This record gives sequence, C-alpha cells and structure tokens, in this order.
Amino acid sequence: KNQVEQSPQSLIILEGKNCTLQCNYTVSPFSNLRWYKQDTGRGPVSLTIMTFSENTKSNGRYTATLDADTKQSSLHITASQLSDSASYICVVSEGNSGNTPLVFGKGTRLSVIA
Amino acid sequence: EPEVTQTPSHQVTQMGQEVILRCVPISNHLYFYWYRQILGQKVEFLVSFYNNEISEKSEIFDDQFSVERPDGSNFTLKIRSTKLEDSAMYFCASSEMAVDVNYGYTFGSGTRLTVV
Repeated sequence: KNQVEQSPQSLIILEGKNCTLQCNYTVSPFSNLRWYKQDTGRGPVSLTIMTFSENTKSNGRYTATLDADTKQSSLHITASQLSDSASYICVVSEGNSGNTPLVFGKGTRLSVIA
Repeated sequence: EPEVTQTPSHQVTQMGQEVILRCVPISNHLYFYWYRQILGQKVEFLVSFYNNEISEKSEIFDDQFSVERPDGSNFTLKIRSTKLEDSAMYFCASSEMAVDVNYGYTFGSGTRLTVV
C-alpha cells in the first residue's frame, strides 16, 4: 500500500534555530514529492515540488532534498521564526500523470518558541 | 494571488441530513479535487474531477457522495445522508493542466463539517 511516513511527529525549537524534518515514502510509481505547510484549521500551502530527477529545491528559508533511490526526502528550515509554527506535510503524487491523487503523510507538528 | 474559495467555513448538520459544500476554484484551472481531514488524522483523497466528470475516486467516496460543477465557477460536494463519521474538514483544491509535472495544486481553507 502506498504510504508516506514522517518523523518526528512533533518538534519544539527555539526561534532562530534550524531544523530538519524527514519523510520516507513507498509510493510507486512516483511522480513528484511536495512539502506543504498547514496552519491549524487552514488548507495546506505548497512550499516545494520536486520530480524524481531533482535532488534539492529551495524556497526562501525552506530547502527540500530528495533521494529517489532510497525514497527519502527532508525539509530543512533555517533561522526559524515564530510564524513557522505549523504542521509540515510531505505529500507524494503517485502515478505518471500529474493529476493522480496525492498521498499525504501525517505531518510533523513544529512549534517555534521565543 | 488567486485563491480557492470554500463556503461555508463551518457547517453543523444533523445525522441523516444532506449537506452541500461549495467551492470556487481558480478560474483558469481545469482539474478539481475534494480531500478531507478527520481531526488529528492525515489528509485523504476523495475525488478528482475533469471535463465535467469524475477522473478518480477513493473508496471513501461511496454512493452517499457526489460532485457537480453546476456552472462555470462553482464545484460542489454533496453528502446525501450524513453520518457521524463524516465529521471532518473538507478541502477543495484545483490545479491547472501543465505539460511538465510541476503541477500547481491550490487548496482552499476548508469547510469544517460537524455532524451531530
């Protein structure tokens, strides 16, 4: 069964510090991998999208990596801010069409404290 | 920046009643989706819709669910006879058709459905 596993489940860091969130997936065939930020009670907002041929992609303070061989991805957040507190969700698109369903991980709940 | 708009933001309904959740996708998008998230759980795919018909649906999307694009702007999800376990946040999303795989998926803010 196609699955996306994330770790840690939750994380608390001090403002200004960096952190790295992990994602492992078993989705096959694989189309692309996305990282989303979801604030409580809100819809997911896309941070990065990577195809299997991309190893890294940055969006401001967010840098995602992808190892399609080991089926692992990470999201690195630098110089964290209080507003970074949210759930970060790893999402994999299965199949070879960009419009096939997304498979969501459970997310990592990040809390940035002053 | 273009947004996907969902109404209402919160809906409370009695078990057995019909509900219609409404969405206005981004105007130049061609693919539409409904996802749901039960409190504390991960987001789950319900259905995708293209060219006025369902493209794919999950096993969650049974005969109690239906989708419709009644006009050129709205995209609705109907639950015919709600059950307690239908209580969840329902997200609408839309994407534009693209040649490469960097498909932009935009989610709405969701409708929180509470079945009592």
